[in-house]
Parts: sequence; structure tokens; C-alpha cells
Amino acid sequence: DGGITQSPKYLFRKEGQNVTLSCEQNLNHDAMYWYRQDPGQGLRLIYYSQIVNDFQKGDIAEGYSVSREKKESFPLTVTSAQKNPTAFYLCASSMAEGYNEQFFGPGTRLTVL
Amino acid sequence: GQNIDQPTEMTATEGAIVQINCTYQTSGFNGLFWYQQHAGEAPTFLSYNVLDGLEEKGRFSSFLSRSKGYSYLLLKELQMKDSASYLCASLDSNYQLIWGAGTKLIIKP
Repeated sequence: DGGITQSPKYLFRKEGQNVTLSCEQNLNHDAMYWYRQDPGQGLRLIYYSQIVNDFQKGDIAEGYSVSREKKESFPLTVTSAQKNPTAFYLCASSMAEGYNEQFFGPGTRLTVL
Repeated sequence: GQNIDQPTEMTATEGAIVQINCTYQTSGFNGLFWYQQHAGEAPTFLSYNVLDGLEEKGRFSSFLSRSKGYSYLLLKELQMKDSASYLCASLDSNYQLIWGAGTKLIIKP
């Protein structure tokens, strides 16, 4: 089955630790995205990538980093510089620019203690 | 600035019809998306409108007026499983999605 996988579903980390969230897709999509979702707010774009080895900052990139070494994979690292990292993180992918229906992974709920 | 407005919460009765409104102000416009999101799950695509008018897809329909910066999602014959949040998102001139905060729809028996 084609789709997007994110793991783990729930993640707990201590304050000051970096943590990497995985995102893998087998839809052969060129573009991939990372969003953060907080209660009562819309999805906010962290980073996106339209092609391998290239990515751009979204609206709230500070404290996060990404890599796109393979078309299928777009991992997100939440660094200790992120002031308020506890949130629901969603990865998405789409075919290309233009009309780009985005397909979402199941999400990772990160809690920093 | 860019802004998407939709009601925070709505309540409706099983079997009834509900209309969820969305107004948008974005830099450029390349279409309007509606997604459904059940609690703790990923959003799933419902509809895409880029031309004015109504698009019907089973029990769900979506309407767009570009001149008014307005869209609505119409849900008919409501079922309990329709209890979810409904997210409106506008595709701006850079083909980036600008998301509303979502409307939580509560269905009562």
C-alpha cells in the first residue's frame, strides 16, 4: 500500500535533548512538508522540500532542521533551541508544485518534559 | 497579511445538514482546499475548488466565491462518524497552503 509513515506515534524527551522525527513516503512524490499543529491553531509550516537535496524554511523554522538525502525520506530534527517543542507534528507529501493535494502521515505527538 | 477565518466549533444533529463557512485573505489565490481531521489523526482531503461554484461529492459539497473570498463545506445526512474538525486552506501565489484553525463539528444523536 502506498502512503506516508511517521514514527513513533508518541515521543517523550527531556528538555535540552535533540530529537529526530522520521517521515517516509512511497508515493513517488517530489514535494514533502513538515507542519506543526497546536490546539486551536491552524497547521503551521516548518520546512518543505520540492526536490532531493533542497529544502526551504517555512513560517516557523527556528529551532528545527531537516535533510532530504533521498526522495522517500524527510526527517525533522527538533533541537534544544526550539523554545516550545511540545506539539503534534505532521509530515505531508504532494506530487509537484501547482495543484498540490497533500497527503498526510499519521503524525507524531512530541512531549518534552 | 494572510488570514483564514472559520468558526471554532459547530453542533448539529444526526441526519441533518450543516454548512461550515470559511473566508480567506491570501497573497494570490490558486485554490481552496477542505480537509477532514479526526482527533489525533492525520487530515484527509475532501475537496478542492479553484473556480466559482458548487462541487458535489456524495454527501459533501464545497462552494467557492473568489470575488468574495468565501467558501463553504456542506455536509448532508450527517452521521456520527462526521464528528471531526474541518480544515479550510487556501493555496497562495507561491503555491503554499495557508491553513485555518479548523472547525470542530460535534454531531448529536
